[in-house]
Amino acid sequence: SAVISQKPSRDICQRGTSLTIQCQVDSQVTMMFWYRQQPGQSLTLIATANQGSEATYESGFVIDKFPISRPNLTFSTLTVSNMSPEDSSIYLCSVEVPEGHEQYFGPGTRLTVT
Amino acid sequence: ILNVEQSPQSLHVQEGDSTNFTCSFPSSNFYALHWYRWETAKSPEALFVMTLNGDEKKKGRISATLNTKEGYSYLYIKGSQPEDSATYLCALDNYGQNFVFGPGTRLSVLP
Repeated sequence: SAVISQKPSRDICQRGTSLTIQCQVDSQVTMMFWYRQQPGQSLTLIATANQGSEATYESGFVIDKFPISRPNLTFSTLTVSNMSPEDSSIYLCSVEVPEGHEQYFGPGTRLTVT
Repeated sequence: ILNVEQSPQSLHVQEGDSTNFTCSFPSSNFYALHWYRWETAKSPEALFVMTLNGDEKKKGRISATLNTKEGYSYLYIKGSQPEDSATYLCALDNYGQNFVFGPGTRLSVLP
C-alpha cells in the first residue's frame, strides 16, 4: 500500500490566478496520476506523471493549462493555470502499486474558483 | 473507449436495510474492475479488485460480484450502517494504461 498526502486540502481562488497542488507519497513509486472530478461528473484522468520524463496528458487536457512536475519518485505537483469557474473541482493524485494493479489515492484538493 | 455507468446516482436507505448498486460497462476488454468507497474529505478507499467472470469478493458486510459476459458488477451492503454513507465508485483498469471511472453512487444511510 501507499500513504499519500495532498496540499492544500481546499482553496478558494480568483479567476485568472493559478494554484499549485502538491502530492507526497510515503514510498518511491514510478507512476503517479492526476485526476479531477467536476461537480456531478466522473473522476477523469488529467495526466500520468513519470519521474524523469514529460507528463502524458489525456485528450482534452494540455500542458499549458495543467503543468506537472515530477522531480523525484515520491513527489509531484499539478498547477491549474489561469483558472476559471469551470476549473472548480476536486483534484486527486494517485499512485500505482506495481503488484496487483492497485491505485491508491490522496485525500484530494477541493478547488473553488470565483 | 471504455464507458462506465453506475446506477442509481444516489440512494437513501434506513439503518439496517440491505442495498445494492450496479456498475455496467459495454465491453469485457479490460484487465480488472475495482470498487472504491469515497467518504467526503478522505481518500478513496479500495474495496475490491476483480478480474475473472464470476468473481465474488466479500469484506465484512460488503460483497461484490462480476459478470463480464453481461457487462455488470454488483456491490451489496448487508445491514447498512450510517458509517457506510459514502460515494461508491467503480473503475475499469484498462490494461495498465489508465483507470476509467464511473460517476459513482452516493449512499446515505439514515439512522
